[in-house]
Amino acid sequence: IVLTQSPDTLSLSPGQRATFSCRASQTINNKFLGWYQKKPGQAPRLLIYDISTRAAGVPDRFSAFGSGADFALSISSVEPEDVAVYYCQSYGGSPPYSFGQGTRLEIK
Amino acid sequence: EVQLVESGGGLLQPAMSLTLSCLASGFSLEDFTMHWVRQRPGKGLEWVSSINWNSDTITYADSVKGRFAVSRDNARQSLYLHMTGLRPEDTAFYYCTRRQNDWDPYFHYWGRGTLVTVSP
Repeated sequence: IVLTQSPDTLSLSPGQRATFSCRASQTINNKFLGWYQKKPGQAPRLLIYDISTRAAGVPDRFSAFGSGADFALSISSVEPEDVAVYYCQSYGGSPPYSFGQGTRLEIK
Repeated sequence: EVQLVESGGGLLQPAMSLTLSCLASGFSLEDFTMHWVRQRPGKGLEWVSSINWNSDTITYADSVKGRFAVSRDNARQSLYLHMTGLRPEDTAFYYCTRRQNDWDPYFHYWGRGTLVTVSP
């Protein structure tokens, strides 16, 4: 499965809504679609799993949805601490784990 | 608390070899399949390899197959990645990762990574 994320970069002001898109090259029939946040100098952090379930400790301003081959991660009101690159990830097929190329979030 | 600490990165020339280590704590390593994921500079995340608890099932990304070998020593709580025939495109931060359990295919736990730089 090839995951294509868009846009490459999102530049928003604090308080705006951010929406990250992830499109799969084929329908994801299982529920295995997750999202990670990668800040500079830090390890990636799992934010969302099984399409829409927030991982422990993730603020509720993060939400995700989707089905078939189209998925999205949303931040309802971006904060300066949300500056990061966001990746989607699927499971299944070969290779077993696929990541999108990432979307960079910048805060104006 | 689950902790994963990678070590062994460095600056090497093409075709050289290097072994990365990952020391796990806060859980029993033998209970989990372990994984290596890398991030090349300016690029996205890329799964590299997985090894199940007793090393019976090992898988590799096509980009490293035949050049990298993953192994583990459960008694030492350690995971290894032996890299041979290194190429400039192997330059990356290498992360040791773990899933929550066998039916949850997401990387819940990550080390801080170790940097491997391959340059003439």
